[in-house]
Amino acid sequence: EVQLVESGGDLVQPGGSLRLSCAASGFTFTTYWMSWVRQAPGKGLEWVAKVNEDGNEKYHAGSLEGRFAISRDNAKNSLSLQMRSLRPEDTAVYYCVTDHDATFHSWGQGTLVTVSS
Amino acid sequence: EVVLTQSPDTLSLSPGERATLSCRASQSVTNNFLAWFQHKPGQPPRLLIYGASRRATGTPDRFSGSGSGTDFTLTISRLEPEDFAVYYCQSYGAFGQGTKVEVK
Repeated sequence: EVQLVESGGDLVQPGGSLRLSCAASGFTFTTYWMSWVRQAPGKGLEWVAKVNEDGNEKYHAGSLEGRFAISRDNAKNSLSLQMRSLRPEDTAVYYCVTDHDATFHSWGQGTLVTVSS
Repeated sequence: EVVLTQSPDTLSLSPGERATLSCRASQSVTNNFLAWFQHKPGQPPRLLIYGASRRATGTPDRFSGSGSGTDFTLTISRLEPEDFAVYYCQSYGAFGQGTKVEVK
């Protein structure tokens, strides 16, 4: 069974940084693209970033203006999202998801990031 | 980048009724890469349909997807109590704004 467990969500001040992690198990991690998707309070779903199987291809939503960086460690079956220059509008639940067939098949439970002073 | 527009925003129906949700894309969707998700409060979204009409593992057969090009539909043939939720369509990096299916 696919398991994705996010961690690292916290309360952070505007302008601060945070690193999210996702521990993957139950599937062959090295054969899947992975993505982060977020949902702000009362809003819809928003794709954030994706990375290919070996970590050499990365794509980020243009709206992030280069503030976030996705990465993966295949030796540890782990996905990360480094976030900097955080803004109140980055407040959201961040989900780690498997990305294949051009969609998001498996989702973690999410981790909450709150950006507030 | 494709923009997805869902309609209606809210659908008020009773259990046992048929639900028809629409998703319109601003440009033709390549290879019919259009998916539908169900989202309930406090839970992660759940993939229901991908490739416009393929049911994901575990999706009940009362859920069906159809369409091509720019117009897609999610149909729930007979609403069960557990089907009342928000539904999103998605293509590549874009999501629709969601349709809430609520109890009438």
